[in-house]
Amino acid sequence: AQSVTQPDIHITVSEGASLELRCNYSYGATPYLFWYVQSPGQGLQLLLKYFSGDTLVQGIKGFEAEFKRSQSSFNLRKPSVHWSDAAEYFCAVGPEEGNKLVFGAGTILRVKS
Amino acid sequence: DVKVTQSSRYLVKRTGEKVFLECVQDMDHENMFWYRQDPGLGLRLIYFSYDVKMKEKGDIPEGYSVSREKKERFSLILESASTNQTSMYLCASRPSGRATYEQYFGPGTRLTVT
Repeated sequence: AQSVTQPDIHITVSEGASLELRCNYSYGATPYLFWYVQSPGQGLQLLLKYFSGDTLVQGIKGFEAEFKRSQSSFNLRKPSVHWSDAAEYFCAVGPEEGNKLVFGAGTILRVKS
Repeated sequence: DVKVTQSSRYLVKRTGEKVFLECVQDMDHENMFWYRQDPGLGLRLIYFSYDVKMKEKGDIPEGYSVSREKKERFSLILESASTNQTSMYLCASRPSGRATYEQYFGPGTRLTVT
């Protein structure tokens, strides 16, 4: 079965510092990969997605992610974090059984001023 | 823009009550999903539906049922609520025929069962 691992439960970075959130997946074919963000008390918003082409994908809010097939990774990066980026971030892979996504456990990002 | 709405943001129910969580999407999507979100466990799929009156079990269907009588509405039912069903419930939808598999989420319902 497909799976997603987000090794870091919590990450704290200083405002203005760079950020990298890790995501490793297990998938038998070429995956569709996603990063979602959840602000406190809100639903999930799509940051970016990868399904083919350039392995470096750009998303909203200044985020980017790089697909590395050899490492089964899809890490999320941002060069300079803002206080408003404090949220929980979820990596997801699919499709599973034609229709579903499998989500990681999430990484909570705290931003200190 | 796709809009997915959920009937309540916060809900408090008593053990043994029957609970209905409603989800409505306005983009004519065929597929709809119900997830449960718990700290450290991420999102776990309860049920999904790929068409009206069709439903499929997800990873944790026990204690839940669903109803999809109209394309835009997908309801999650807790037949007899228990304290271990206290959680955040998220609804999502996506269209068929577009091979990106991106799902669009509602704002969530935080359910507390006392």
